Amino acid sequence: DTAVSQTPKYLVTQMGNDKSIKCEQNLGHDTMYWYKQDSKKFLKIMFSYNNKELIINETVPNRFSPKSPDKAHLNLHINSLELGDSAVYFCASSQDPLQETQYFGPGTRLLVL
Amino acid sequence: QKEVEQNSGPLSVPEGAIASLNCTYSDRGSQSFFWYRQYSGKSPELIMFIYSNGDKEDGRFTAQLNKASQYVSLLIRDSQPSDSATYLCAVNYGGYQKVTFGTGTKLQVIP
Repeated sequence: DTAVSQTPKYLVTQMGNDKSIKCEQNLGHDTMYWYKQDSKKFLKIMFSYNNKELIINETVPNRFSPKSPDKAHLNLHINSLELGDSAVYFCASSQDPLQETQYFGPGTRLLVL
Repeated sequence: QKEVEQNSGPLSVPEGAIASLNCTYSDRGSQSFFWYRQYSGKSPELIMFIYSNGDKEDGRFTAQLNKASQYVSLLIRDSQPSDSATYLCAVNYGGYQKVTFGTGTKLQVIP
């Protein structure tokens, strides 16, 4: 059974489009995250939700909007995609905000043309 | 700006040797430290975490933490080709999961 899953695995789209990435975890964790990993492999946190509430909101363009319908799901919607948004987006979860072991999803490879 | 720095490598070691991976961090208030392994095209997976000064061993892996010098290292004994991956150092500066990752060191174990 997959602990943290993401869909889609690959996403190729044109500049200016709007797209969403979905994440689900079946670990019963309270906290979920979105990370962006660029071409240089730098992994940077974007958002964190605990029990559907936003607790970390790093400096990202407001074109990125996370949504957590329940504590097992954290989706990422991106408006007006730009070339620089091309990256791998990882979802992760942990038991609670202070639990430091994070479990990562397989990643979504986004390519903006 | 809290930073975590690693040599990007690649670090090449022969099979059976000890691989030594190093990481330095900028904030003395850092509380916990992690090593993740990331195979090419895959997601990071946690190998070890360490909170206290000294060594922590788990199988072939040893994490070493020196808070006075602000560095953390990972030793891999009896390196295997399957250990070839990028190793990410991560530091939690406290509070809500503000984990900062380094850019990773690519390890190549030569058969």
